[in-house]
Amino acid sequence: GAGVSQSPSNKVTEKGKDVELRCDPISGHTALYWYRQSLGQGLEFLIYFQGNSAPDKSGLPSDRFSAERTGGSVSTLTIQRTQQEDSAVYLCASSLDRSNQPQHFGDGTRLSIL
Amino acid sequence: EDKVVQSPLSLVVHEGDTVTLNCSYEVTNFRSLLWYKQEKKAPTFLFMLTSSGIEKKSGRLSSILDKKELFSILNITATQTGDSAIYLCATPSGTYKYIFGTGTRLKVLA
Repeated sequence: GAGVSQSPSNKVTEKGKDVELRCDPISGHTALYWYRQSLGQGLEFLIYFQGNSAPDKSGLPSDRFSAERTGGSVSTLTIQRTQQEDSAVYLCASSLDRSNQPQHFGDGTRLSIL
Repeated sequence: EDKVVQSPLSLVVHEGDTVTLNCSYEVTNFRSLLWYKQEKKAPTFLFMLTSSGIEKKSGRLSSILDKKELFSILNITATQTGDSAIYLCATPSGTYKYIFGTGTRLKVLA
């Protein structure tokens, strides 16, 4: 597609449920990033993919968070046993590669945990 | 620890005013500084700066980097209501990560 596509755009779920967020990057972009943006906060780095591998998972806030990327394209971010503090906007971005290239962002998934 | 600090946190101006947004940074092995505009949803890329003193311009927006004093400014002249947004700056940190500031929320009144 022309831009980074994320789905769903909004997700409301009950505490304790698992959620899966999807990111479809710009075609040909090998680098993919996940961020979390809480109300009034800047973007918090979660994880980076180069192709299908994630060399840096240090930003994932807990072991309830995991992510994968297949075929060097679509990525999913999974949050297990959601907690209220997981409520945030989850943004995905892609770039041609990681070397000083500007990132192109999707519109994000607004996640609300009741 | 690498960090990015933006100021002011928020700003309210009237159409036609000129604004200057600030971004200071501390990062090991500086490579670049980037500015983004975030309106409702996706941040959109504005500028990437790698060298001191070279102004980047796009219409009424311009930005400059000072690598000695470790800061960048984003100027917007003749502001319009469509400039209302959160302006974010960011820099690569380590091998893979990007650090973002908390942003400056700009509101331009008609």
